[in-house]
Amino acid sequence: GAVVSQHPSRVICKSGTSVKIECRSLDFQATTMFWYRQFPKKSLMLMATSNEGSKATYEQGVEKDKFLINHASLTLSTLTVTSAHPEDSSFYICSASWRAYTDTQYFGPGTRLTVL
Amino acid sequence: QKEVEQNSGPLSVPEGAIASLNCTYSDRVSQSFFWYRQYSGKSPELIMSIYSNGDKEDGRFTAQLNKASQYVSLLIRDSQPSDSATYLCAVLSIRETSYDKVIFGPGTSLSVIP
Repeated sequence: GAVVSQHPSRVICKSGTSVKIECRSLDFQATTMFWYRQFPKKSLMLMATSNEGSKATYEQGVEKDKFLINHASLTLSTLTVTSAHPEDSSFYICSASWRAYTDTQYFGPGTRLTVL
Repeated sequence: QKEVEQNSGPLSVPEGAIASLNCTYSDRVSQSFFWYRQYSGKSPELIMSIYSNGDKEDGRFTAQLNKASQYVSLLIRDSQPSDSATYLCAVLSIRETSYDKVIFGPGTSLSVIP
């Protein structure tokens, strides 16, 4: 159990375009979903936390207008990177938990974004 | 002081040996602790969670928690080359003024030599 999917797994786009990444919990209802980014050989960096039906909580230094997060249902959260630039190229990973914050997080397989 | 600290490694052990991975944390009231494994280019996968002092065993993995000393460790017995990965320690941080949050350590790179 506790399967989380992400789509797409890889995306290459031109600078200035917007990219949407979907995160789905397949076999459980995720009260809370988390979005991380990870640069090569670096640790996970939490970008934001989202609860179903409410606005996401962004970490300090993460631009909420740049990284739009929507958690429309208990099984789906989306991250949209708006007007992407080469410095946004990274590995984006979502995770989901049954209950808010205190529960185990299960990770999706990640999305590798390359902005040309 | 960083909230969750781990030796970055790389930690190298011969195949069949015990690999010992350590993690210290700064938040004294943390109650939930997790170990994740991350292969290169992949996302983290949960190995084990531990909530009480002492040892918790699952197959070749044993997690050890000592809240008084604020450390949590992961032992891997009979290490295999397939165990070569980065191991992430994660701690639930209780925050008085904002949401509780799971904090990840920087990870320890483990290499099991055949």
